[in-house]
This record gives sequence, structure tokens and C-alpha cells, in this order.
Amino acid sequence: AQKITQTQPGMFVQEKEAVTLDCTYDTSDPSYGLFWYKQPSSGEMIFLIYQGSYDQQNATEGRYSLNFQKARKSANLVISASQLGDSAMYFCAMRVVNSGYALNFGKGTSLLVTP
Amino acid sequence: EPEVTQTPSHQVTQMGQEVILRCVPISNHLYFYWYRQILGQKVEFLVSFYNNEISEKSEIFDDQFSVERPDGSNFTLKIRSTKLEDSAMYFCASSTPLGQGTGGAAKNIQYFGAGTRLSVL
Repeated sequence: AQKITQTQPGMFVQEKEAVTLDCTYDTSDPSYGLFWYKQPSSGEMIFLIYQGSYDQQNATEGRYSLNFQKARKSANLVISASQLGDSAMYFCAMRVVNSGYALNFGKGTSLLVTP
Repeated sequence: EPEVTQTPSHQVTQMGQEVILRCVPISNHLYFYWYRQILGQKVEFLVSFYNNEISEKSEIFDDQFSVERPDGSNFTLKIRSTKLEDSAMYFCASSTPLGQGTGGAAKNIQYFGAGTRLSVL
């Protein structure tokens, strides 16, 4: 069975600092993708970054990077130079290729960026 | 930038009533999805739709639910007889076909709409 675990219900970070949001996953399938989404208080789900299981390098998108450790089955999101607008819920999700297109989400981490 | 559009943003209904939630996916996308998020909980997959038929569905997507693509642009979720426990945020998403772009077979990025908050009284 596929499982996504986000162990940090809430995190605080000061503006301009970096923060790491944890995500571990469990699958026995070798082909899968890992996704991070941001959900601000307004409710929409915003795609941030993707990492494929066969990707050799860690994904980066602007201030977002993914610390992908395949052997540990972890895909932590790193946000550099935090901004007040980064305050939101962050969800890690996984798609296993052989299991269809459904995204399986974690419970999320609430990030609060303080001045 | 193209986006997924959902209407209405908030729907209030009485228990037992039928509701239809509407979505306009990104125009060149071919895969469409519905997810729901009960308040304070994680996002849960309901159904995916491709080539005018359901390609997969979860246990949540029982006979009370149906989806339809009535024309070339809209994608709808119908709940036949709403229950209190159907109260949730419902998200529509769409994605590009496999094989486009780089990143392997798993890279089927789903873009979400802003959601419809359904309140069943």
C-alpha cells in the first residue's frame, strides 16, 4: 500500500530563513512521482515542485528545492529565504505509475512565517 | 496563465438534495480529476476521467456520485442525494497527457482549481 507521512503538523520560520518540511513515503513500486502543493488560507491548491523516482538530481524551482533521499524514502521540501506569503499548508503527494493517476496526499504541514 | 476554474465557490444545500459542481479544466488537458478535502483533513482522491469515461475511482466514489463532460469545456461532479458527511471542499484538477515534457512516466502534474466548498445542512 502507498503511504505518505508528514510528521510536522505545524512549523514556524522567521522571514528570510530557510525551512525544511518533511515527507516520507512508502511504496514498493520502482516508478513513482512525488509532488508538493501549497494551500494558502484562501483554499486553492498550488503545484510547487515534482521529483521523479528515476531523477538523478534533486528538483529545484526557484526558492523551492526537494531533498530527495531515495534509500530513506524521503522527499523533503526546502524553502529558502522564506517570505510572509509562504505561510500556508503544504502537502506532499505521491503517484505510483502502476497504480493509476490518483495522487495520494499526506496530512499536510502548516507553515507560519514570522517577521 | 491557463487555470482550472470551478463554480460555485460555495454551495449550500439541504440533506437529500442533488448538487452539481462545475469545473472548466485547462483547455489542452485530457485528464480530469475530482478530489475532496473534509475540513482539517487531507485531500482525498475521488475519480479520474479520460476519453469520456472514468479511468479510476476510489471507494468514496459510490453510486451517489457521477461525473460528466457534457461539452468540450465543462467537467461536472454530481452528488445525487447529499448527506451531511459530504460537506467538504471539492477540488477539480486537470493534467497533460503522458509523454509530454521531461520527467518520466510519473510526471503527470495535476493543476487544481480553487475548489467548491459544499455545505450540507
